Amino acid sequence: QKEVEQNSGPLSVPEGAIASLNCTYSDRGSQSFFWYRQYSGKSPELIMSIYSNGDKEDGRFTAQLNKASQYVSLLIRDSQPSDSATYLCAVNNQFYFGTGTSLTVIP
Amino acid sequence: GAGVSQSPRYKVAKRGQDVALRCDPISGHVSLFWYQQALGQGPEFLTYFQNEAQLDKSGLPSDRFFAERPEGSVSTLKIQRTQQEDSAVYLCASSTSHGNEQYFGPGTRLTVT
Repeated sequence: QKEVEQNSGPLSVPEGAIASLNCTYSDRGSQSFFWYRQYSGKSPELIMSIYSNGDKEDGRFTAQLNKASQYVSLLIRDSQPSDSATYLCAVNNQFYFGTGTSLTVIP
Repeated sequence: GAGVSQSPRYKVAKRGQDVALRCDPISGHVSLFWYQQALGQGPEFLTYFQNEAQLDKSGLPSDRFFAERPEGSVSTLKIQRTQQEDSAVYLCASSTSHGNEQYFGPGTRLTVT
């Protein structure tokens, strides 16, 4: 079992819809959780971090953490074509990344 | 201020050659990480430095891979006797400390022919 699991997608949503990205992790002792966005041919760019259970909102992005169920999710509201990218979930004990979920927002 | 920089951005090496990849972290960032990213995959952890100390090198795939950060700033990832399976993007990231947000450089795309 990999340390961090993500559905590789691809996930397609129409412009203006909510995109929901999910991630599960195996190490119950994990404390730090991050979502990165990676455009094709570019390096990962941090978009959200979350450390405690519950929701954290930043603009159109909401990260949700549930340590008991060992999952972390990212919601993107009012999705835009510019949100089309691969979204990487990362868990920071040894900084494991998921394989990423490819998101396409259709105009 | 300036972000993480890496050089070269692209490197083509013949099988068996040695290569050296450089990373300049964000000034003041004590933690530095190296990752290997194959096409369509997430970054795979290689090694981690806290200042000049290499605290974890468990991700280095073989003894052909060697990393150093002698003065706690610039880091070099060296790959000896390159093989075709070493072809990947090598990413460097830095953070203020382990567990905090990491900021990535643009990566070095290594192609071994």
